Order: sequence, then structure tokens, then C-alpha cells
Amino acid sequence: AQTVTQSQPEMSVQEAETVTLSCTYDTSENNYYLFWYKQPPSRQMILVIRQEAYKQQNATENRFSVNFQKAAKSFSLKISDSQLGDTAMYFCALRSNQGGKLIFGQGTELSVKP
Amino acid sequence: GAVVSQHPSRVICKSGTSVKIECRSLDFQATTMFWYRQFPKQSLMLMATSNEGSKATYEQGVEKDKFLINHASLTLSTLTVTSAHPEDSSFYICSAHQGNRGHEQYFGPGTRLTVT
Repeated sequence: AQTVTQSQPEMSVQEAETVTLSCTYDTSENNYYLFWYKQPPSRQMILVIRQEAYKQQNATENRFSVNFQKAAKSFSLKISDSQLGDTAMYFCALRSNQGGKLIFGQGTELSVKP
Repeated sequence: GAVVSQHPSRVICKSGTSVKIECRSLDFQATTMFWYRQFPKQSLMLMATSNEGSKATYEQGVEKDKFLINHASLTLSTLTVTSAHPEDSSFYICSAHQGNRGHEQYFGPGTRLTVT
């Protein structure tokens, strides 16, 4: 079975600082995709960043970057220069090749403090 | 691009009645749509996967006769909660995927269902 685990239910960070959210996963597939989604209080799911498993280079999107360790099945998200608008629930997700469905982690609630 | 809408955004219904939630892809054709349920402070739980023109595939433990899913066109999927009960109260989110548009899903804004 495929699983995604986020072991940090809540985190907080001071504005302008850097924070790292952890995610580990398990899959028997060799080619797969990993995502980080943000869910602000509006509850609209927003794609933050994605990583193709066959790519060794870590994905980067402006202030957001990942540390993808395929052998360790780890996929952490680093947010640099945190902003108040980054306050949200963050979900790590694994895309299964079986029907393309997403398997989500439990989520990490991030609070950015002024 | 890649906008997904849901209607209604909020709905209140009485126990025993049925309620329909629509999910539309506005600027692309969705070969596959997904329906999720989310309780407060919890993750998204996949309920079913629907492909246009075929029957939905339900996840284990989801009652297909209670949660009717129809994907009649490439831009519209509907979820009907039949004979609703208070325990069906939840936040329902749909997402859509286009086969030739990468591997991410595009999410609707969600529908909050309250059954009284």
C-alpha cells in the first residue's frame, strides 16, 4: 500500500525566517510524482511545488524548494523568507500511477508569526 | 488557466433529503475527476474517481448507493448525497485532471454540506 506521512501536525515560524516541513512516503512504484499543496483558511487547495521521481534535481519555485531523497523516500518542503500569507495547512501528496489518484499526508498546520 | 468550480459553495439540507454538488472544469476538458471529503483539521479523503462516460470507482468503505457520482461530460461531474444524515455533514472537494496537461490535479473551492 502507498502511504504518505507528515509527522509535524503544527509548526510555527517567525516572519522572514526559514522553515522546513517534513514528509516521508512509501511506494513500490519507480516512477511517480510528489506534490506539496497549500490550503489556506479559504480551504482552496493550491499547488505549491511538484517533483518528478525520475528527476534527481530538487524542484524550486521562488521561495519554495524541496529536498527530495528518493532512496530514503523523503520529500521535505523548505519555505524561505516566510511571509504572513504562508500561514496555511500544508499537505504532501503522492500521485499513484494507478488511476492517477493522490494519496495525502495528514497535513502540517503552519503559522507565520509577525 | 486550469480553473475548477464547484456549486453550491454551501448547502444546508434536512435529514432524509438528497443534495447534488456540481464540479466543472471551466477552461479545460477533464478526463478524470476526483471527489474528496475533508473533516475539520484533517486531511483529504478520496471518495471516488470518475472518468467521463464510465462508472465511478469508489474507494473502500465509501457507499456507492449513498454517494452517487456522474461524469456525463468532459467538463462536469456531479456528486449526489442521497438520504442525507447529519454524519454526512462535511466539506466536499472535487479535483480535475486533463490527460495531456501534466500530472497535477486542479482543485475546486469546495462545498460545505450541513445536514440538519
